[in-house]
Amino acid sequence: DAKTTQPNSMESNEEEPVHLPCNHSTISGTDYIHWYRQLPSQGPEYVIHGLTSNVNNRMASLAIAEDRKSSTLILHRATLRDAAVYYCILRDPTGTASKLTFGTGTRLQVTL
Amino acid sequence: DADVTQTPRNRITKTGKRIMLECSQTKGHDRMYWYRQDPGLGLQLIYYSFDVKDINKGEISDGYSVSRQAQAKFSLSLESAIPNQTALYFCATSDPLNRGGELFFGEGSRLTVL
Repeated sequence: DAKTTQPNSMESNEEEPVHLPCNHSTISGTDYIHWYRQLPSQGPEYVIHGLTSNVNNRMASLAIAEDRKSSTLILHRATLRDAAVYYCILRDPTGTASKLTFGTGTRLQVTL
Repeated sequence: DADVTQTPRNRITKTGKRIMLECSQTKGHDRMYWYRQDPGLGLQLIYYSFDVKDINKGEISDGYSVSRQAQAKFSLSLESAIPNQTALYFCATSDPLNRGGELFFGEGSRLTVL
């Protein structure tokens, strides 16, 4: 199964942009790139996903490399509420061999 | 009300006891999952089900069993609980046709085995 690699932790100042990287060099053509985040004492929640093109939503932006072997989640202005563990995972939503596992993610600390 | 509901939210039990964690969903999704999370670690897949009659083992299925009683219900059982099954358990659902198979998680069930 394709795996993802993320830094264990990152720090950001409040109201600064944050770029969270993810490497997925063995990604297959049918894999979507998903990002989830887990706030303390909560279940993971969806942030954003993409296949080939860069994506934007109200929470974040997702920049996908042209070869799809890496991606970056961009939080445009970090707030204290964005402090969480961010998971990058690959999903093949229709195949029986769906990639369903989560790695350890990146713990984002946001300071004043 | 939450779309994915887990019960109980917290449970303390003793070694050797049988425990059932229940999950129900109102999303109308066919696909359901059980994950386990240990402190400071990511989520590991225990079992998943793509339909009522479909059950599949995940990475760490030993010591666990599941039952998919209906589209909306997916239960996780520990037949004889042991201390290293102390963890936070999450149920999730997905629709493969929606946002690349976005996962919707419950709030978690914290299990302590003494």
